[in-house]
Amino acid sequence: DAGVIQSPRHEVTEMGQEVTLRCKPISGHNSLFWYRQTMMRGLELLIYFNNNVPIDDSGMPEDRFSAKMPNASFSTLKIQPSEPRDSAVYFCASSTPGARDHAYEQYFGPGTRLTVT
Amino acid sequence: KNEVEQSPQNLTAQEGEFITINCSYSVGISALHWLQQHPGGGIVSLFMLSSGKKKHGRLIATINIQEKHSSLHITASHPRDSAVYICAVRSDGGGSEKLVFGKGTKLTVNP
Repeated sequence: DAGVIQSPRHEVTEMGQEVTLRCKPISGHNSLFWYRQTMMRGLELLIYFNNNVPIDDSGMPEDRFSAKMPNASFSTLKIQPSEPRDSAVYFCASSTPGARDHAYEQYFGPGTRLTVT
Repeated sequence: KNEVEQSPQNLTAQEGEFITINCSYSVGISALHWLQQHPGGGIVSLFMLSSGKKKHGRLIATINIQEKHSSLHITASHPRDSAVYICAVRSDGGGSEKLVFGKGTKLTVNP
């Protein structure tokens, strides 16, 4: 399996622009997580989906952030409009309860490094 | 106070030394995860445990549920073990898969 795939790997954009981050979870995994990592705050959960349904979005900072999961193999995280304080590394992860010795273990993608100038 | 506290924040060791990283948490949990973040940024799950002890190669993770404490040990440390080690807990409320993370311990192993 290719693991969790994220794109783009790096994104540089100007303040006010729309940014869309993409994630393809591991095939067969039914939970998908979006995280943000900054030096100040470390890793934080933004939102997670189970069976394509948002379960916990309490970490989404504000209305400028939105996430969708239209099907089991694709999710997007959108920031509109972007601000410099959104600069961070955004990770996507997936998991499944069905893996015998690895139930609920989370597999992380390589991350997207976002810089908003 | 953070729900998950790790110590030390930074740790420097000589190759071959025995390493211990500690994690304390304040909430009831269903599981605790240890993650490794390489200098290049990738994050790998090392262990997930809810009781007792797990071992994988030179890595050992233990958890004491009563004391709300977990330790990650590295035996015969090597420069390639240099990374940030992150503790995360999954709370025991309502079947949530949400993880709450510690700030991480940066380990440097010198040759």
